[in-house]
Amino acid sequence: EAEVAQSPRYKITEKSQAVAFWCDPISGHATLYWYRQILGQGPELLVQFQDESVVDDSQLPKDRFSAERLKGVDSTLKIQPAELGDSAMYLCASSLRATSGVQYFGPGTRLTVT
Amino acid sequence: KNEVEQSPQNLTAQEGEFITINCSYSVGISALHWLQQHPGGGIVSLFMLSSGKKKHGRLIATINIQEKHSSLHITASHPRDSAVYICAVSVIYFGNEKLTFGTGTRLTIIP
Repeated sequence: EAEVAQSPRYKITEKSQAVAFWCDPISGHATLYWYRQILGQGPELLVQFQDESVVDDSQLPKDRFSAERLKGVDSTLKIQPAELGDSAMYLCASSLRATSGVQYFGPGTRLTVT
Repeated sequence: KNEVEQSPQNLTAQEGEFITINCSYSVGISALHWLQQHPGGGIVSLFMLSSGKKKHGRLIATINIQEKHSSLHITASHPRDSAVYICAVSVIYFGNEKLTFGTGTRLTIIP
């Protein structure tokens, strides 16, 4: 069964350093989502792509976060510089299209900033 | 006030018990989702429903659109059901669908 791939699974970094996460959605899925989940809370959308275009990045802290999906397939989320408050689980999800309902989630990247 | 509220936040039960998790929401939705998150982070979609009731194995999800309320039931609970269960609602705006998540219910089933 096709799955959403994410790497790395775990990342420990010092504050002020740069960090990057990678996501490979299910083949053929046009819509890709990056979520941040703080411990004890539900996921919060950071950015949504439709193919290579950003359709929603209203909650993305653009002074330090950036995301790209250059060829409309895999995607990278970057944080520079990392802050202590960025410690969280970063989840990638994909769906066939923006209104198809079911999103398929990857295993997530757990980031710890020290 | 959050758009999606779940109760209880934590639930501990004995193996075999009937489990109910509740979700209330305050906005107009196109669908409601129940998701399961195991330790380690991965999230799996259990149900997507916009009316009535759905059943999959020992899991049953119901929704009352008029009351803006949904429940997830687990019959004959088992320790492997221990996980965080998350309710999320879909709202479509400008042709785009956005999920808003509840904070989750942590379920622990004791053998």
